[in-house]
Amino acid sequence: DIQMTQSPSTLSASVGDRVTITCRASHSISSWLAWYQQKPGKAPKLLIYKASSLESGVPSRFSGSGSGTEFTLTISSLQPDDFATYYCQQYNDYSQTFGQGTKVEIK
Amino acid sequence: EVQLVETGGGLIQPGGSLRLSCAASGFTVSSNYMSWVRQAPGKGLEWVSIIYSGGSTYYADSVKGRFTISRDNSKNTLYLQMNSLRAEDTAVYYCASATTNWGQGTLVTVSS
Repeated sequence: DIQMTQSPSTLSASVGDRVTITCRASHSISSWLAWYQQKPGKAPKLLIYKASSLESGVPSRFSGSGSGTEFTLTISSLQPDDFATYYCQQYNDYSQTFGQGTKVEIK
Repeated sequence: EVQLVETGGGLIQPGGSLRLSCAASGFTVSSNYMSWVRQAPGKGLEWVSIIYSGGSTYYADSVKGRFTISRDNSKNTLYLQMNSLRAEDTAVYYCASATTNWGQGTLVTVSS
């Protein structure tokens, strides 16, 4: 199975900060990577698919990049609504593993 | 509007069985792959099972041999039959259509 390693596990930041989260795959997954945002008690919400494609309705301050085994999610200017937990997920093969999650906290 | 609604969760004793349902609207469950993902209390997301449009199914090692994913095209509904439940299966279970659409989740608690 493909393992996904996400870092950092926790990130403290202020409104307006540029934030970057990294996800590494144990094997190449081409661009078959998604990023989700999850708030407490809610289902995950798709932000980015195919590594860099912005889901409809998602603010443009979110962006994704990478291919192969290294991926990043960037929030260009952190907003109050962005404090949440973020997950990467590979869907290159049938075992669609997730990263461990990154909690973005208020500094 | 695309919507997924999970039902069937609840409190069940260890060793028991439960069937989760995920009713879809706004799209056809057989048109793309559908997954079950779970989240134990305070933990991250864990992929559980997938069914592809062609009918192929796959499972996480943690549930293989105990859980069965299926769908009823006539009811446009996805299912997860869970047998031999263990305490570590306690989680909110989400159904998802590809990466895009997720249900609100249903809580399964395995406890005596």
